[in-house]
Amino acid sequence: GAVVSQHPSRVICKSGTSVKIECRSLDFQATTMFWYRQFPKKSLMLMATSNEGSKATYEQGVEKDKFLINHASLTLSTLTVTSAHPEDSSFYICSARTSTTDTQYFGPGTRLTVL
Amino acid sequence: AQKITQTQPGMFVQEKEAVTLDCTYDTSDPSYGLFWYKQPSSGEMIFLIYQGSYDQQNATEGRYSLNFQKARKSANLVISASQLGDSAMYFCAMREGWNSGYALNFGKGTSLLVTP
Repeated sequence: GAVVSQHPSRVICKSGTSVKIECRSLDFQATTMFWYRQFPKKSLMLMATSNEGSKATYEQGVEKDKFLINHASLTLSTLTVTSAHPEDSSFYICSARTSTTDTQYFGPGTRLTVL
Repeated sequence: AQKITQTQPGMFVQEKEAVTLDCTYDTSDPSYGLFWYKQPSSGEMIFLIYQGSYDQQNATEGRYSLNFQKARKSANLVISASQLGDSAMYFCAMREGWNSGYALNFGKGTSLLVTP
């Protein structure tokens, strides 16, 4: 149980395009989903917290107009990187938790490369 | 201030030996949760073990155990009988309080290499 999927696993795009990353909880309902960013050989940095049906809460320094998060259902959250630039290249990883557990389960991550 | 401190950037252990990965944390909230995750080279974050601040006993999950010393604010991960497949990055994380939205603060990680 507690499986979280992410799609796509890898994406390469041109500078200026937008990229959408999906995060799905496959076998449980996720009341809260989180989006993290991880640079090579670094720790995970929380970007935003999203609760189903409400606006995401962004961490300080994360541009909400650049990183659009939508949590439309209890099993799906999307992160859209708008007008991507090479400095947005990173590993993006989502996690999900239910209302009854303290544990976050992570997706496999999406490696974004912006040329 | 760093909430989670992992002082060992890299560790080596021989196969079948036990290894302890250090983690100290900083919080003034009486209610918190501590987690360990494993991240192999593929990038996925694999949940290993959880310890709640009010749990009386140290958490154990198979070969993983958490040495929880509340007064010292430490939550070291002990891996017994190391296997080659245990080679990975290991992250300690903390969920602080109940008003934080359950977000996790991660340490910088420890890279573990298990040798034959």
